[in-house]
Amino acid sequence: KAGVTQTPRYLIKTRGQQVTLSCSPISGHRSVSWYQQTPGQGLQFLFEYFSETQRNKGNFPGRFSGRQFSNSRSEMNVSTLELGDSALYLCASSSVGVYEQYFGPGTRLTVT
Amino acid sequence: KNQVEQSPQSLIILEGKNCTLQCNYTVSPFSNLRWYKQDTGRGPVSLTIMTFSENTKSNGRYTATLDADTKQSSLHITASQLSDSASYICVVSEDTGNQFYFGTGTSLTVIP
Repeated sequence: KAGVTQTPRYLIKTRGQQVTLSCSPISGHRSVSWYQQTPGQGLQFLFEYFSETQRNKGNFPGRFSGRQFSNSRSEMNVSTLELGDSALYLCASSSVGVYEQYFGPGTRLTVT
Repeated sequence: KNQVEQSPQSLIILEGKNCTLQCNYTVSPFSNLRWYKQDTGRGPVSLTIMTFSENTKSNGRYTATLDADTKQSSLHITASQLSDSASYICVVSEDTGNQFYFGTGTSLTVIP
C-alpha cells in the first residue's frame, strides 16, 4: 500500500502571496489532518477533514483553510503569507475506527 | 486541560549506550498512546501504539512502557545507533478518537 504523499515537497513564496499544498492519503483512509511544525513549537494541529467535511479545527487564523475531495485527497491553502508561516506542513491520514495516524513526508514552506 | 509533556527536551548519548525518554499526560478519557520517530525534515513514523491495557510493547531496540494509573509512558532505546538521532514525539488520543495531543518531543543525538 502506498503511503501518504504530499506535494510539493519544497516551496518558496514571498510575503503576501498565497499557497496551496496537496495531500493524498493512504488508500481507504477517509480522515486527513494537517499540522504545522516549527522549531521549538512542535506539531500544531491545523484541521481535520473526514468525508469532505471539516471535523476539527485548531487555533489558527482564517488565512489557513482546507478542503477535502470525494476521493479523500485534501488541499490546504494559506493566503496572505507571513514570514511566520515558514514551517514544515505535515499531513496525516487515518482509517475509520483505527486510532493511529500515518504521516506524509511534509511540505517545507519558506516565506521570504 | 489535556496536555502531553515530554522530558528531557534534548539528550546526547554515546553510540551503543541505552537511554530512556519520558512522556507524562493528562489526557482524559484516554484511548491510546503512540511514540513517533521523526528524522529532521521528514514526517513522523510510528514506533509503537499502546492501549489502556498494555504495559509494555517492543519494536526491535525500542521498548515502550505505559502506566495508565500515573499517566506516564517511557520509551527505552537499547544499544543506540547513529541512525537513532531524531526527534521522538509522544502522542495521546482521547477516547473519542478524534483528538490527538502532541508532546513537543525529545531531540536525541547519538554521537560516535
